[in-house]
Amino acid sequence: DADVTQTPRNRITKTGKRIMLECSQTKGHDRMYWYRQDPGLGLRLIYYSFDVKDINKGEISDGYSVSRQAQAKFSLSLESAIPNQTALYFCATSDRQAHTGELFFGEGSRLTVL
Amino acid sequence: DAKTTQPPSMDCAEGRAANLPCNHSTISGNEYVYWYRQIHSQGPQYIIHGLKNNETNEMASLIITEDRKSSTLILPHATLRDTAVYYCIVRVSYSGSARQLTFGSGTQLTVLP
Repeated sequence: DADVTQTPRNRITKTGKRIMLECSQTKGHDRMYWYRQDPGLGLRLIYYSFDVKDINKGEISDGYSVSRQAQAKFSLSLESAIPNQTALYFCATSDRQAHTGELFFGEGSRLTVL
Repeated sequence: DAKTTQPPSMDCAEGRAANLPCNHSTISGNEYVYWYRQIHSQGPQYIIHGLKNNETNEMASLIITEDRKSSTLILPHATLRDTAVYYCIVRVSYSGSARQLTFGSGTQLTVLP
């Protein structure tokens, strides 16, 4: 089983709908991240959380919100989806104690907004 | 974090060494060089990182110039499975810091049979 699990893996929705992407991890890491990737581009950080009570905006947080329900769970919500939020979304984790800066990524959630 | 410049694409023959360059001329003394790769829309995978000494692990070698303004990731015997986008990132190693990795566009490496 994957250490970082994202659900759903694929989702097609309509403009204006509320969407939640969920991420859970079994690595025991304290830090979790949500990234977005558009075709031909690198990853851009949406939100990150360094522990359950710590939520921080990334470079493209507008139109998104997050919830850190537990150390192992970090969900991303689109309150009213719009077509330009069509993208591949990645959750990632890291361990503050590791000192390496290594991120561990999930397999991605492909979202299409019609 | 310092900005990096990578060629958008490179080809390499299977079995040969793949040398992927990265320029980071504005790197600060406390910034590390990280390499990740992403295979066809999968989640990025950590490869290696270093500060100023050359580094080697089971996946690759990282050569950092003495002035630290550029580096090269070396895959010694490239295979078709190494076809991926390779990202070079520089950042402060983050123990106790609130910094995070910033991914650019990377280099698309295509290993040819």
